[in-house]
Amino acid sequence: GAVVSQHPSWVICKSGTSVKIECRSLDFQATTMFWYRQFPKQSLMLMATSNEGSKATYEQGVEKDKFLINHASLTLSTLTVTSAHPEDSSFYICSASGLANEQFFGPGTRLTVL
Amino acid sequence: GNSVTQMEGPVTLSEEAFLTINCTYTATGYPSLFWYVQYPGEGLQLLLKATKADDKGSNKGFEATYRKETTSFHLEKGSVQVSDSAVYFCALATQGGSEKLVFGKGTKLTVNP
Repeated sequence: GAVVSQHPSWVICKSGTSVKIECRSLDFQATTMFWYRQFPKQSLMLMATSNEGSKATYEQGVEKDKFLINHASLTLSTLTVTSAHPEDSSFYICSASGLANEQFFGPGTRLTVL
Repeated sequence: GNSVTQMEGPVTLSEEAFLTINCTYTATGYPSLFWYVQYPGEGLQLLLKATKADDKGSNKGFEATYRKETTSFHLEKGSVQVSDSAVYFCALATQGGSEKLVFGKGTKLTVNP
């Protein structure tokens, strides 16, 4: 199946700093990428949907100025958590879909904000 | 709104035991239903899916039948293996494909030899 990578796999940062997470589709062109957040023992919650070259569509309750999403190419999307605070600590997962519409998931990034 | 409820885990079984993980859903319209599996250290992978009522999805010995009358999509396997140890997520999509997935909380399965 198609491969999606995320980098970094884990990151620890100080409160008030910004963190960038990359999501790459390695062997296919992703017309759409999705960003999810997962709390311990909770389901994945969709944060936003991004299409290459256009602005991301955020789900209700997700602050777009806090979670900046860029989908500059068909193989790369980035999520930047700006001015991170401890409550932003979570597991962030991306997925990518191409023409077949099936979503392929990355392994996730563990963010810890001190 | 749309939601998915799946049985609480963790589930621990012996090898060759029968597995059932319950999943029920609430949705407007006619959703597509999915089971995803997440092996340790890896991303979610699509295990099987069904797009309309009475469809049966199957893969790797796992099966699930789309039951509209009971709004359920229970995952079953007749004989589990140690390699089936993973977290299983039930999900639905209401836009015909895999757009806008709504996930259950996940069920961790451990299979002991």
